[in-house]
Amino acid sequence: DGGITQSPKYLFRKEGQNVTLSCEQNLNHDAMYWYRQDPGQGLRLIYYSQIVNDFQKGDIAEGYSVSREKKESFPLTVTSAQKNPTAFYLCASASLRTGGTPLHFGNGTRLTVT
Amino acid sequence: DQQVKQNSPSLSVQEGRISILNCDYTNSMFDYFLWYKKYPAEGPTFLISISSIKDKNEDGRFTVFLNKSAKHLSLHIVPSQPGDSAVYFCAAGSGGSNYKLTFGKGTLLTVNP
Repeated sequence: DGGITQSPKYLFRKEGQNVTLSCEQNLNHDAMYWYRQDPGQGLRLIYYSQIVNDFQKGDIAEGYSVSREKKESFPLTVTSAQKNPTAFYLCASASLRTGGTPLHFGNGTRLTVT
Repeated sequence: DQQVKQNSPSLSVQEGRISILNCDYTNSMFDYFLWYKKYPAEGPTFLISISSIKDKNEDGRFTVFLNKSAKHLSLHIVPSQPGDSAVYFCAAGSGGSNYKLTFGKGTLLTVNP
């Protein structure tokens, strides 16, 4: 069964600690994305990658870092520089052969930083 | 600067009636539009899309209408069912823009039995 797996579903961290969110896909999609959702807000793009070893900043990249060493994996690190890290994080992927849409989303990781 | 706007945070309809969710956009470069449905604590799931060369696309109970001159699109669900209760996001993108989507803030649809 193809899909996108995000782990863990819930994550708790102390302020000042870096934390890495996992995202794996077995859809053979070229492009992968990280979005953030806050209450009453839409999905805002953090980073995206269209090819291995390459990625671009989205609209709210400050305080985050990513890597794309394998086609299947696109981990997101929330650093201590991110001022408001508590949020629901969504990973998505898409096939560039279909024009990059539609995006297929994972079930998200809810990060709480105290 | 919000390029995709969903001005109604919530909508409540009776089962069996029509649900109409609206979305406005400001960026003239957008040339394809999508609707996603999201349940709490889950990722959004793709519902239906439309490209700017069309003004209507239909898939079962779901129809999306696009009015390019007004920069407005709407999602019609008929008949509405209680299982349709969810947050609906409108998203827009342009083919030459690195395949990025811009999302609205969402509309919470509640379908009452």
